[in-house]
Amino acid sequence: AQSVTQPDIHITVSEGASLELRCNYSYGATPYLFWYVQSPGQGLQLLLKYFSGDTLVQGIKGFEAEFKRSQSSFNLRKPSVHWSDAAEYFCAVATGNAGNMLTFGGGTRLMVKP
Amino acid sequence: GAVVSQHPSRVICKSGTSVKIECRSLDFQATTMFWYRQFPKKSLMLMATSNEGSKATYEQGVEKDKFLINHASLTLSTLTVTSAHPEDSSFYICSARFVSTDTQYFGPGTRLTVL
Repeated sequence: AQSVTQPDIHITVSEGASLELRCNYSYGATPYLFWYVQSPGQGLQLLLKYFSGDTLVQGIKGFEAEFKRSQSSFNLRKPSVHWSDAAEYFCAVATGNAGNMLTFGGGTRLMVKP
Repeated sequence: GAVVSQHPSRVICKSGTSVKIECRSLDFQATTMFWYRQFPKKSLMLMATSNEGSKATYEQGVEKDKFLINHASLTLSTLTVTSAHPEDSSFYICSARFVSTDTQYFGPGTRLTVL
């Protein structure tokens, strides 16, 4: 069965600093990969996704992620963090079909210092 | 596009009563919807997959007689928590599969509190 690991439970960065959130997955083939963001008490908003092709994908709000097959990773990055980026970030994978059920990582809570 | 709504956003009920939560895809048809449960400061756990016109598929450990799912139309799935107990208190989130992009879009969630 597939699994997703987000090693960092909490991350604090200063506003304007760069950000990288880690995500590692376990699956025999290439999974379909997603990053979602959740603000407190809210649902999830899709930031970006990777299905195939260029391993560097661009998303909304200035986020990007890079799929590295050799490392089974799909890390999320942003060059300059804004205070409004403070939220919970979830990495997720779907297997077999991109629209199949999602397996989520444990989430990373991002806090932004002024 | 690809907006999913949930109703109600928050509900408080007494132990032993039943609660219905609606999940609607507002601007697209969704043959498949998913129901997740999220405990405080935790990740999302899939409860069941809801397919229009057929029975839902429940994940291991989820009581299908307690969490009734109905997907009667291409834009509506409902989750009914029957005979709710305090341990059912949680944040319930639905998602709908947008076929043209093969991506799930999530509703805003429903906070259930059982007293």
